[in-house]
Amino acid sequence: GAVVSQHPSRVICKSGTSVKIECRSLDFQATTMFWYRQFPKQSLMLMATSNEGSKATYEQGVEKDKFLINHASLTLSTLTVTSAHPEDSSFYICSARDYRGNEKLFFGSGTQLSVL
Amino acid sequence: EDQVTQSPEALRLQEGESSSLNCSYTVSGLRGLFWYRQDPGKGPEFLFTLYSAGEEKEKERLKATLTKKESFLHITAPKPEDSATYLCAPPASSNTGKLIFGQGTTLQVKP
Repeated sequence: GAVVSQHPSRVICKSGTSVKIECRSLDFQATTMFWYRQFPKQSLMLMATSNEGSKATYEQGVEKDKFLINHASLTLSTLTVTSAHPEDSSFYICSARDYRGNEKLFFGSGTQLSVL
Repeated sequence: EDQVTQSPEALRLQEGESSSLNCSYTVSGLRGLFWYRQDPGKGPEFLFTLYSAGEEKEKERLKATLTKKESFLHITAPKPEDSATYLCAPPASSNTGKLIFGQGTTLQVKP
């Protein structure tokens, strides 16, 4: 099956610093990628939809200046958490949809962000 | 508004004890439903896609079924390695490609 690689798997940072998370589709081209956030024992909450070559679409309540998304190529999307604070600590997961319009989403392995 | 409800929230089974997980949804123009398995600290792993009412799919001890209003994930003679959180997700009515996730059912299978 299709593979989505997410890096890093875990990051610990100090409050006020920025953290970048990468999401790559390894064996297919992804015109659309999705970024989710998951708190302990809760389900996945969509943060934003990332479209190659255009601006991301953010879900209601998600600060676009806080969570910067860049989708510069058909295989790479990045999420940067700017000026991170402890309340940003969470599990972030990306998913990619292949360009042929298949609605099946393939997920990365997730990134556990801990802000001290 | 799109909504997905999964029940039960948690399920404990003895090894070999079969059961079913439920996923109820209200989504306009349903274009399929996905089932995922998620292990702690990992991203969801794809299990099944169901596209129309009456469709069934099987994989090892798992079988997924779909009606117009709900989907079931049947687990036959589960093993401890089946312990995980199972998530269902239909595509959003908005047809933007995003999935609407239920809160999941956390399954624990004891030996």
